[in-house]
Amino acid sequence: ETGVTQSPTHLIKTRGQQVTLRCSSQSGHNTVSWYQQALGQGPQFIFQYYREEENGRGNFPPRFSGLQFPNYSSELNVNALELDDSALYLCASSLQGFNEQYFGPGTRLTVT
Amino acid sequence: AQTVTQSQPEMSVQEAETVTLSCTYDTSESDYYLFWYKQPPSRQMILVIRQEAYKQQNATENRFSVNFQKAAKSFSLKISDSQLGDAAMYFCAYRSARAYDKIIFGKGTRLHILP
Repeated sequence: ETGVTQSPTHLIKTRGQQVTLRCSSQSGHNTVSWYQQALGQGPQFIFQYYREEENGRGNFPPRFSGLQFPNYSSELNVNALELDDSALYLCASSLQGFNEQYFGPGTRLTVT
Repeated sequence: AQTVTQSQPEMSVQEAETVTLSCTYDTSESDYYLFWYKQPPSRQMILVIRQEAYKQQNATENRFSVNFQKAAKSFSLKISDSQLGDAAMYFCAYRSARAYDKIIFGKGTRLHILP
C-alpha cells in the first residue's frame, strides 16, 4: 500500500510569484485535504477535494486554489505569493465517510 | 466555531515514566471525533489515537490512552513507559461528524524525553 506523497519537498519563491504543490493520495482514497502549518502552529485547513470538486474550504483567500484529478491526486496553487504564505503545506488523503486522514510529509514553502 | 486549546507548549518526561498531555475543546455539536496526532522532526503527521464522542469508553492504543471527559470538553493523552522515539510535537484535533472532514488542530505540545 503506497502512502501519501508530496512534491516538492521544499522550495523557495519570491513574493508575487505563483506556486503549485502536488499530492498523491494513498491507494484507495478518494478525498484530499490541504492544510497550512505556519512555524510553531498547528495545521490550518485550507480546503478539501472529493470527486474532483471542492468539498469544503477554510478561511483562506481565493488566491489559494486547487484541483483534484481522476486518479485522486491533487494540486494546491497559490497565486500572488505573500511573505506570510511561508509555511509547511500538508496534504492528507482519506476515504469519504471514514474519519481517518493520512498525512503526507509536507512541502516546505519559503517566500522571500 | 469549534476551537481546540493545548495549554502546555512544552513538556519533558524521563524515559520509562508516564506523562499526560492536556487538551480542551469547545463545540456546540454532540457528534464529533477527537484525535491525537504526533509530528516528529520528519514532519509527517501520524495518528496516535482516536476517540468517538458517542463512546463513553476511553480509547487505548498500546502505551497510549486518553481520558475523554465529554461534559468538561477535555481530552488528555497519557503516554506510559515513555520512549525516546516518543519525542515529537503532539497535536490534539477535532473533527465534526458532519459532511466533510475538516480537522481543527490545537497549537501543539512539544514533548521531550529525557534519557
